[in-house]
Amino acid sequence: AQRVTQPEKLLSVFKGAPVELKCNYSYSGSPELFWYVQYSRQRLQLLLRHISRESIKGFTADLNKGETSFHLKKPFAQEEDSAMYYCALSATDSWGKLQFGAGTQVVVTP
Amino acid sequence: EPEVTQTPSHQVTQMGQEVILRCVPISNHLYFYWYRQILGQKVEFLVSFYNNEISEKSEIFDDQFSVERPDGSNFTLKIRSTKLEDSAMYFCASSFGGLTGYTFGSGTRLTVV
Repeated sequence: AQRVTQPEKLLSVFKGAPVELKCNYSYSGSPELFWYVQYSRQRLQLLLRHISRESIKGFTADLNKGETSFHLKKPFAQEEDSAMYYCALSATDSWGKLQFGAGTQVVVTP
Repeated sequence: EPEVTQTPSHQVTQMGQEVILRCVPISNHLYFYWYRQILGQKVEFLVSFYNNEISEKSEIFDDQFSVERPDGSNFTLKIRSTKLEDSAMYFCASSFGGLTGYTFGSGTRLTVV
């Protein structure tokens, strides 16, 4: 069975400081991994997908298969980054089903 | 930008009543999903739907739940006899194929009293 773990429920950082959100997964195959963001009771929005290897809003995430991790990083946090962040996994044998982590609430203070 | 639309945004229902949550997926999408999020907990997969049938469902999706695409544009989730523990935010999502264009709706908050 797949599992996604986000160990931090809450991350409080100062504006301009680096931020790293941890995500670890367990899955025996080759997963697709995602980061979703949810701003203040809005819809879930895709932030990053590991296969695209993009940087969105200054965020990056690298899939480390050895450590089974997909941590999200941003070098300089902004106040508008305050949101709920969810790591999600899609297994190769589950067409379109997303398995979410518990989420990390990020609060950026000025 | 195309959106997945969910109605209503908030529904209050009495325990034991039937409730139907409605979703209008993006028009050229072929795969449809329901998720739920109990307050303070993670987002959980309920069911996926393709070609007018359920592709996959979770343990949560028991006989009390059903899904339907009645008219080619709406995608509904029915809970036959609601329980207090069904209170949650329910998210609909659609995609063109698998994970391509995967888009969530803004959710329906269901409160069972």
